[in-house]
Amino acid sequence: EAQVTQNPRYLITVTGKKLTVTCSQNMNHEYMSWYRQDPGLGLRQIYYSMNVEVTDKGDVPEGYKVSRKEKRNFPLILESPSPNQTSLYFCASSPRRTGSYEQYFGPGTRLTVT
Amino acid sequence: RKEVEQDPGPFNVPEGATVAFNCTYSNSASQSFFWYRQDCRKEPKLLMSVYSSGNEDGRFTAQLNRASQYISLLIRDSKLSDSATYLCVVKQGTGRRALTFGSGTRLQVQP
Repeated sequence: EAQVTQNPRYLITVTGKKLTVTCSQNMNHEYMSWYRQDPGLGLRQIYYSMNVEVTDKGDVPEGYKVSRKEKRNFPLILESPSPNQTSLYFCASSPRRTGSYEQYFGPGTRLTVT
Repeated sequence: RKEVEQDPGPFNVPEGATVAFNCTYSNSASQSFFWYRQDCRKEPKLLMSVYSSGNEDGRFTAQLNRASQYISLLIRDSKLSDSATYLCVVKQGTGRRALTFGSGTRLQVQP
């Protein structure tokens, strides 16, 4: 089954404790992206990657890191989480075909930082 | 001003009703437009793309007005299963495939 998976789905952590949220897709998509969703603000892009070893900042990159060592994986790293990073996080992927902008989203990771 | 603005709702409508949502965008260079659907606490999924000439998919009709910079979604004969949040999405005229999401309009269809 074609899908985007994220782990963990739920995470409660404390301020300053490094964490990683994994994202994996099995559709051979070149483009991957991380978003956070907060009430009233919609989905905001954190980082994106056009292909292996190619990453760039989105609209709200502060406090986050990413890496793209393999095509299928795009982990999101919070080196020192803070309460303002409490949010619902989505990973998404899409193919690089011209005119194809549909993004396939993972199921989401609900993060709480206390 | 937000780049993509939507009325958050909720829109409470009876089954069988016709309901319409509008969305406005601020960047006149925006190239592509979409409606995504998001069920409660689930991931967004593409509902339909929006073409300049307008397009229809079953009970759903999407229209684009570039002059006024707004997009609309019309749902006819609403079903209970249409209850969800509808996200207006705009692709900006940049090369990085960035999509800008509205914060969504919540629809609740009641029996």
